[in-house]
Amino acid sequence: EVQLVESGGGLVQPGGSLKLSCAVSGFTFSDHGIHWVRQASGKGLEWLGRIRSKSKSYATNYAASVQGRFTFSRDDSKNTAYLQMDSLKTEDTAVYYCRRDGYGDNPDYWGQGTLVTVSS
Amino acid sequence: DIQMTQSPSSLSAFLGDRVTITCRASQDITYRLAWFQQKPGRAPRPLIYAASGLQSGVPSKFSGSGSGTDFTLTISSLQPEDLATYYCQQYYAYPLTFGGGTKVEIK
Repeated sequence: EVQLVESGGGLVQPGGSLKLSCAVSGFTFSDHGIHWVRQASGKGLEWLGRIRSKSKSYATNYAASVQGRFTFSRDDSKNTAYLQMDSLKTEDTAVYYCRRDGYGDNPDYWGQGTLVTVSS
Repeated sequence: DIQMTQSPSSLSAFLGDRVTITCRASQDITYRLAWFQQKPGRAPRPLIYAASGLQSGVPSKFSGSGSGTDFTLTISSLQPEDLATYYCQQYYAYPLTFGGGTKVEIK
């Protein structure tokens, strides 16, 4: 069974940092890219970016709203992807999801999300 | 960036009704469109990929169609468990973009 489990969310002050994890199981992690998506309370879905597989040189793409503040990484030996968030703003408060890049870029599996609250 | 416009933003229908949601892209995205269902407090659930492909485990009452700039998601017979917000997303070009969502309610 394919599973993605996010962790690391919590309360952080504006200007602070937080690192989220996305632990996966049930598929060959190293073969797939990982995307990050967030959703503020009562709002729609916002794509944040993705990190590709080793075969694609771990290339990354970022949304303009997080470029320069957020960094994607992954450790294929641990079947885990990471989202490092720096210089956090109150508007970064949201539930953060990771999802798999399926075959043919099919967005087929998502994690359950982790809540990040940026507040003083 | 490619803009994705969903309509309507909300709808109310009777049980058993056929429901159609539309998604329009601001430029040609070929077939690279996905649909998701999201219930309150839950993660998005993938329904459709490549405009018309049914994700594994998704009931056949859901169907997708379209290509280029105009796409539709159809629920053939609305049931109580279909109460949710539905989103489209293009994955033709980066940044990936979502539609604003369509909230489906039961009359």
